[in-house]
Amino acid sequence: EPEVTQTPSHQVTQMGQEVILRCVPISNHLYFYWYRQILGQKVEFLVSFYNNEISEKSEIFDDQFSVERPDGSNFTLKIRSTKLEDSAMYFCASRTGTANTGELFFGEGSRLTVL
Amino acid sequence: AQSVTQLDSQVPVFEEAPVELRCNYSSSVSVYLFWYVQYPNQGLQLLLKYLSGSTLVESINGFEAEFNKSQTSFHLRKPSVHISDTAEYFCAVGISSGSARQLTFGSGTQLTVLP
Repeated sequence: EPEVTQTPSHQVTQMGQEVILRCVPISNHLYFYWYRQILGQKVEFLVSFYNNEISEKSEIFDDQFSVERPDGSNFTLKIRSTKLEDSAMYFCASRTGTANTGELFFGEGSRLTVL
Repeated sequence: AQSVTQLDSQVPVFEEAPVELRCNYSSSVSVYLFWYVQYPNQGLQLLLKYLSGSTLVESINGFEAEFNKSQTSFHLRKPSVHISDTAEYFCAVGISSGSARQLTFGSGTQLTVLP
């Protein structure tokens, strides 16, 4: 069964460092998402991406964050200068272009720990 | 904007007992409703969804949820739980927003099935 894969599964970084989280969405999907879950808190929407551009972003997704799809398969989230409060589990998700299926397929997450 | 409230953060229950995980939502527009499950050290997996039609939806592993528009609820039930059902359960609501439908998640309910 096709699945969304994410790497790394866990990354530890020093505050101020740049981090890139990678995702390989399901191959025929057209919409891509990043969500995050701070420990003990809700899963929060960060950004959605379609047709090589950001479709929507939340207030969390400020200038330190960026996304790109560099090669037609990977979908990356870059955090430019990490802060302690960026420590969270980051989930990538994708879905088809079908209008009414609604379902997002999630990866297993990348746990980011900022020291 | 829409929101999701999961009233119980922790639900302990004995094996073979029934369980209900509560979910209420608010939205000014029509919504799609989802339950996702997160097993330990895994990603979010779709358990069941309501898009339209019958208000009672079922999963392959015995869970069911009923969409109640008047009470704005989408409670998840199972008549007899197993140890393997121990996981975190997230209720989510989606709306069609342009081309990039995103999900709003509740804070999750940890279901622990006791022997």
